[in-house]
Amino acid sequence: GAVVSQHPSRVICKSGTSVKIECRSLDFQATTMFWYRQFPKQSLMLMATSNEGSKATYEQGVEKDKFLINHASLTLSTLTVTSAHPEDSSFYICSASLPGGAYNEQFFGPGTRLTVL
Amino acid sequence: DQQVKQNSPSLSVQEGRISILNCDYTNSMFDYFLWYKKYPAEGPTFLISISSIKDKNEDGRFTVFLNKSAKHLSLHIVPSQPGDSAVYFCAASNSGNTPLVFGKGTRLSVIA
Repeated sequence: GAVVSQHPSRVICKSGTSVKIECRSLDFQATTMFWYRQFPKQSLMLMATSNEGSKATYEQGVEKDKFLINHASLTLSTLTVTSAHPEDSSFYICSASLPGGAYNEQFFGPGTRLTVL
Repeated sequence: DQQVKQNSPSLSVQEGRISILNCDYTNSMFDYFLWYKKYPAEGPTFLISISSIKDKNEDGRFTVFLNKSAKHLSLHIVPSQPGDSAVYFCAASNSGNTPLVFGKGTRLSVIA
């Protein structure tokens, strides 16, 4: 099956610093990747859709200057949380679609737990 | 405005019995529905899906039922096992051209 990895799995940072999270498709090329965040006892909230070689499409209410997304290759997308604050603490999950596959054929990474002190 | 709703935040079932998880949706354009299972601190894993042209899809112990007129779907797990204890998310999409919309999840606890 298609495997998606994320790194790091857990990160703790000081308020005001930036954190980069990587999402990789290990055994397939992903033209489209998605970034979600999940607060405790809440649903997965889509933050942005990332297409290789083009700008990400952000969902309403998500600050694109704060959550920088780069999808420079078919196997790697990165999410950078800039000037992180405690309210950015959350579980960030990425997913990837198979090439030519429908958006609903998504494979999820294991997630990254971000804690901002 | 939540387009996909899972109104039961939690469910407890005895081992061997049937678990029924429910999901309602409001967007009539949704035509593909999925169930994901999620353990703490892990990403969701795909469980089973159903297209709107069907009303039932079965895979081993897991069956998903779709009632389009009621905009309701349910996941049946039988027999339930302790390893099924997890959070189950219902998700929906529109012909694959839009990202998945998730419900808030239902935490299933299967008691031995």
